[in-house]
Parts: sequence; C-alpha cells; structure tokens
Amino acid sequence: AQKITQTQPGMFVQEKEAVTLDCTYDTSDPSYGLFWYKQPSSGEMIFLIYQGSYDQQNATEGRYSLNFQKARKSANLVISASQLGDSAMYFCAMREMSANAGKSTFGDGTTLTVKP
Amino acid sequence: DGGITQSPKYLFRKEGQNVTLSCEQNLNHDAMYWYRQDPGQGLRLIYYSQIVNDFQKGDIAEGYSVSREKKESFPLTVTSAQKNPTAFYLCASSIVGVPNTEAFFGQGTRLTVV
Repeated sequence: AQKITQTQPGMFVQEKEAVTLDCTYDTSDPSYGLFWYKQPSSGEMIFLIYQGSYDQQNATEGRYSLNFQKARKSANLVISASQLGDSAMYFCAMREMSANAGKSTFGDGTTLTVKP
Repeated sequence: DGGITQSPKYLFRKEGQNVTLSCEQNLNHDAMYWYRQDPGQGLRLIYYSQIVNDFQKGDIAEGYSVSREKKESFPLTVTSAQKNPTAFYLCASSIVGVPNTEAFFGQGTRLTVV
C-alpha cells in the first residue's frame, strides 16, 4: 500500500495567491516525522518544513505552513503569497521511528506552476 | 560548509558499460541513501546504508551495486545488468534514530545511456 499519497500531479496558482498541496500518509508507527521538499528544475532537493507526530501545533516556516490533521492522516503544505520562484516539484515524505536506517518514504510529487 | 557532494553532475554511458557515481558527505551522518528519479516522477530507493560495511537493498536494487568502506562515502555502480539506467540519481544522508531531522541531498547526477 502506498505510504505517502499526493493526489495532485499538477497545480496552478496565480502569483501572490495562496495554494495548498495535498499529502496523505499511512503508518501504524506512533512516532514519525513528515517533511516537505521542493525540487526546482535544476534537480536539487530543498527541505522546506517538518511536522512531528507528537507536535501539538502546525509547523510554520516563513511563507510555508503545514496543515496537520493527525486523525485524517493528512499533512498538507500551504504556500502563502506565491512567487514565480515557487514553481517547482514538491514532495511530501515520511520517516517512521521504526524504519530501517531512518529511511524516508516519498510521494510521487506535485508540480506547481505559478502564473504571473 | 557541511554537505553532500555528488559527482559527476552529468554522465554518459555506452551500452554494456558499468559506471560509478560518487557520493561524499562531511555531515558525520550514519545513514546514506541512493534514489533514482525518472522524469516527472517521484524518488525510488535503490540502496541504503546505516553503518560502514553494511548496506541493504531498497525497492529497485536490481542492476545496481554499492559499497560503504568509509562513513563519508557511498558510491553507486550502475552495472550493465540495469536495462534502463537513464535517469536522475540523488544521494542523501541523515541522522538515524531521530525522526525530526531531515535528509540532506546532493545535487544529483544525470546519467544518460548513449
């Protein structure tokens, strides 16, 4: 079964508007971390934001926030005030405490295009 | 500055040749990973290693081999048995046992079979 599901292959947003990228996950491990990465066309993976399974508050990092709904097993990324430089592929990932060697499981990604 | 260095950035391979992709980290991370990414797709785990001289197969290990002789280094060899090796390869490292730490990635190697 897919552990990380990103149901939006592609998304468009107007510059300066907010956009939500969806991510649902599946795990039976009570201790896990959820991550979002940005991959521009150059290929490098840029870490954006982290949410721990025991965190009471939603994570925020600048224009990025994570809408964490534990009961629904969702961890959606919200980007506020979109910029042209936000156009990239975005990956949701999960690390379970029980995972061998701390390996992460990645979703298939969402390609975000910001329109001027 | 600490980080992960992958080389080369671009690599061309002839049919039937083995090629080795380099990955070096100076973050003192125990765990290292190799991922394959096809155009427009997600990351698929090839091999991973938690300690020196030990490594495990990921989801798509066939046609690949690795070694971990030093903590800092985790080279990936794409063998002639890999039928469709053209892809983007990413190396990553992380701390083990602390789930709130992110993986650090190299810049990637784009391999093309010619």
